[in-house]
Amino acid sequence: DVKVTQSSRYLVKRTGEKVFLECVQDMDHENMFWYRQDPGLGLRLIYFSYDVKMKEKGDIPEGYSVSREKKERFSLILESASTNQTSMYLCASSSIKNIQYFGAGTRLSVL
Amino acid sequence: ELKVEQNPLFLSMQEGKNYTIYCNYSTTSDRLYWYRQDPGKSLESLFVLLSNGAVKQEGRLMASLDTKARLSTLHITAAVHDLSATYFCAVDIYQAGTALIFGKGTTLSVSS
Repeated sequence: DVKVTQSSRYLVKRTGEKVFLECVQDMDHENMFWYRQDPGLGLRLIYFSYDVKMKEKGDIPEGYSVSREKKERFSLILESASTNQTSMYLCASSSIKNIQYFGAGTRLSVL
Repeated sequence: ELKVEQNPLFLSMQEGKNYTIYCNYSTTSDRLYWYRQDPGKSLESLFVLLSNGAVKQEGRLMASLDTKARLSTLHITAAVHDLSATYFCAVDIYQAGTALIFGKGTTLSVSS
């Protein structure tokens, strides 16, 4: 079974803190993705990566950055967390031309 | 701007009834995905539709794709409570299994 593991299910952070969300996949997938999910807005793509050290902006990259130093790991970074970044964050991975497999999600609250 | 529109966004059904969820998209694509999400859980892949006219069925769910009309449907037959969930369609805009654009989801509630 494909496994996409997100390091935390729930996080509570303060405004202005630097926040790291980690995602690891065990299927040697080339592509990895970060989405955020908000009620009424569905899933929106923040960033994706199709190879180590490569990254592409999605629809809403502002306020976020990413890091992919190893193929299996894709990190989402909030440089200075703000309350409007309170959301559910979903990581996904896929091989080329294949379906995306999602992690369990991290519910982040920024106070 | 690419848009993926699902309707309805909320659907309350009685057990045993049939219904269809529609997914319209605004750009050329022949790859479309359907996902299911249970409350508090992550997304689970249901169907991958890879060409015009593709039809996939799993249990009481059947998905189809009409690329000329830019329309996919998810048909529910004889609904049961276990189908209560949120269903998302997603369009592959780069045709390469990379970035997906998701609809806002259809929340289905099946009651007896």
